[in-house]
Amino acid sequence: DTEVTQTPKHLVMGMTNKKSLKCEQHMGHRAMYWYKQKAKKPPELMFVYSYEKLSINESVPSRFSPECPNSSLLNLHLHALQPEDSALYLCASSQDWGASSYNEQFFGPGTRLTVL
Amino acid sequence: QKEVEQNSGPLSVPEGAIASLNCTYSDRVSQSFFWYRQYSGKSPELIMSIYSNGDKEDGRFTAQLNKASQYVSLLIRDSQPSDSATYLCPYNQGGKLIFGQGTELSVKP
Repeated sequence: DTEVTQTPKHLVMGMTNKKSLKCEQHMGHRAMYWYKQKAKKPPELMFVYSYEKLSINESVPSRFSPECPNSSLLNLHLHALQPEDSALYLCASSQDWGASSYNEQFFGPGTRLTVL
Repeated sequence: QKEVEQNSGPLSVPEGAIASLNCTYSDRVSQSFFWYRQYSGKSPELIMSIYSNGDKEDGRFTAQLNKASQYVSLLIRDSQPSDSATYLCPYNQGGKLIFGQGTELSVKP
């Protein structure tokens, strides 16, 4: 099973709302990632969790708050977002993480977020 | 210099032809290189991983890696309209995937 699942598929929220994106994998992977992707651009790394600990935060604004409750789950909590945060949010996982790892990442289907 | 340079697209090939996608990169240290296919509105799908110099074949896809020349390519034989997508060739740098802008491939029936 090489599947990463994400919910919801689509989300529309106002700038004052609080919402959460969820990601799950059952491949026994120890690293999980959040990416943001705008149209016609490559994915842009936001956060990396390795062994359930935050390893990379790419200077993401605090209105995005990641959480890794266990090795299979990854959440992204959203609060007071701006219209420019509208994008496809992708979750990915890999067996391990680091400069010496192969870092073969498998992406979920994404959540299409629209901020009004 | 960009860390990953890809063919400028869109690249258009007729059905049944060989599509050739190329990437050059600035990092001499990375050991891991990947090809992802991304259909419009969908997420990236891993189609090939390559770690050693030389060729790696999987069905209609062949990836070629030359670390000394800092070059990786993807050949798609017998191209099909279903191969029309954007192709991304990231590499692993310190645990991060470094992406180029992608190459859009269009296979015409």
